[in-house]
Amino acid sequence: AQSVTQLGSHVSVSEGALVLLRCNYSSSVPPYLFWYVQYPNQGLQLLLKYTSAATLVKGINGFEAEFKKSETSFHLTKPSAHMSDAAEYFCAVSEAGGTSYGKLTFGQGTILTVHP
Amino acid sequence: DVKVTQSSRYLVKRTGEKVFLECVQDMDHENMFWYRQDPGLGLRLIYFSYDVKMKEKGDIPEGYSVSREKKERFSLILESASTNQTSMYLCASSFASETQYFGPGTRLLVL
Repeated sequence: AQSVTQLGSHVSVSEGALVLLRCNYSSSVPPYLFWYVQYPNQGLQLLLKYTSAATLVKGINGFEAEFKKSETSFHLTKPSAHMSDAAEYFCAVSEAGGTSYGKLTFGQGTILTVHP
Repeated sequence: DVKVTQSSRYLVKRTGEKVFLECVQDMDHENMFWYRQDPGLGLRLIYFSYDVKMKEKGDIPEGYSVSREKKERFSLILESASTNQTSMYLCASSFASETQYFGPGTRLLVL
């Protein structure tokens, strides 16, 4: 069985500061890993994904994440926060290929607040 | 661009009513999914479908059923709505095990 833990349900940063959102996963098979963002009253939008190529993955809006197998982590970072980054962020894991049909297991979500 | 649409953004129903939530995707994706989203719990998979008329239970199927008669359309049915089914419902679609694309969600209130 797969699981995802996001450390910190709320993260608050100042505009221009580093954003670090933590995600740890467990999976018995090689995983695919995703970060999604949800703006208020909207659906989820893909930020980036890891599918066993490069361990450092770059996504949209300046975000990136690093897959660390030894730490079973996939933390999301952005060097400089912008007010428009305020949203809820979800980490998710799926099994690579096979008959998983790409089913996702999500973390609990982290609400990012950006202060002026 | 992939487009996933959901029939309603907001819905208010009474306890015991039968509720239909519809989802349509325009990218010929084989897989379609229904999740519910609750604060502090993230998204939890209710049901998914990997082909027309094919379905599998997710993690929390109790009290729900689904229907997929056409490839582009996936319906979630609450047979007898209860107050604990008040939630945000999100539909998604994907090709094989690739990225899931989400609709805007339906916020359901059961009174």
